[in-house]
Amino acid sequence: DVQLVESGGGLVQPGGSLRLSCAASGFTFSSSPMSWVRQTAEKGLEWVSTISSSGGTTYYADSVKDRFTISRDNSKNALYLQMSSLRAEDTALYYCARVTTNYWGQGTLVTVSS
Amino acid sequence: DIQMTQSPSSLSASVGDRVTITCRASQDIRNDLGWYQQKPGKAPERLIYAASSLQSGVPSRFSGSGSGTEFTLTITSLQPEDSATYYCLQHSSYPYTFGQGTKLEIK
Repeated sequence: DVQLVESGGGLVQPGGSLRLSCAASGFTFSSSPMSWVRQTAEKGLEWVSTISSSGGTTYYADSVKDRFTISRDNSKNALYLQMSSLRAEDTALYYCARVTTNYWGQGTLVTVSS
Repeated sequence: DIQMTQSPSSLSASVGDRVTITCRASQDIRNDLGWYQQKPGKAPERLIYAASSLQSGVPSRFSGSGSGTEFTLTITSLQPEDSATYYCLQHSSYPYTFGQGTKLEIK
């Protein structure tokens, strides 16, 4: 069975940093482009970032560009999102996903607040 | 950036009804569109891919149509378990964009 398990969420102060991780299993991770998607009650679902299967190409939403960095380790079947200069509006549930198939994790909650 | 305009934002229908949700893209996205269902506390689940292909395991009362800029999700013979929020997602070009969501209530 396909599993995506996110971790690393929590409470962080504005301006702070956080690193999210996603452990993948049950599919060929190294062949899969992977994404982070976030969700708030106000905005609904928002695509955040995608990384190519090799890790050589990355894409970001304008709202997180230059603050967030997506990366992966195919030897560990792991996806990461390094978040810095966090703002209140980054508060959301963050999903790890292969959005062009139907692989989604259950999400990890990030709260940015003083 | 491609904007996805989804309508309606909410609707209420009865068991057995047929409902239609629409997504309009601000530019041609071919058929690079998926429809997702999300229930409270759960991750989204894809119902339709490539605009009109039914995801394995999804009931046949769900169907998708359209290409280019106009897309629809149709649910025939509505069931109580279809109460959820539905989203479209375009993955034709970055940034990927979701519709605003449609909250479906079963009367």
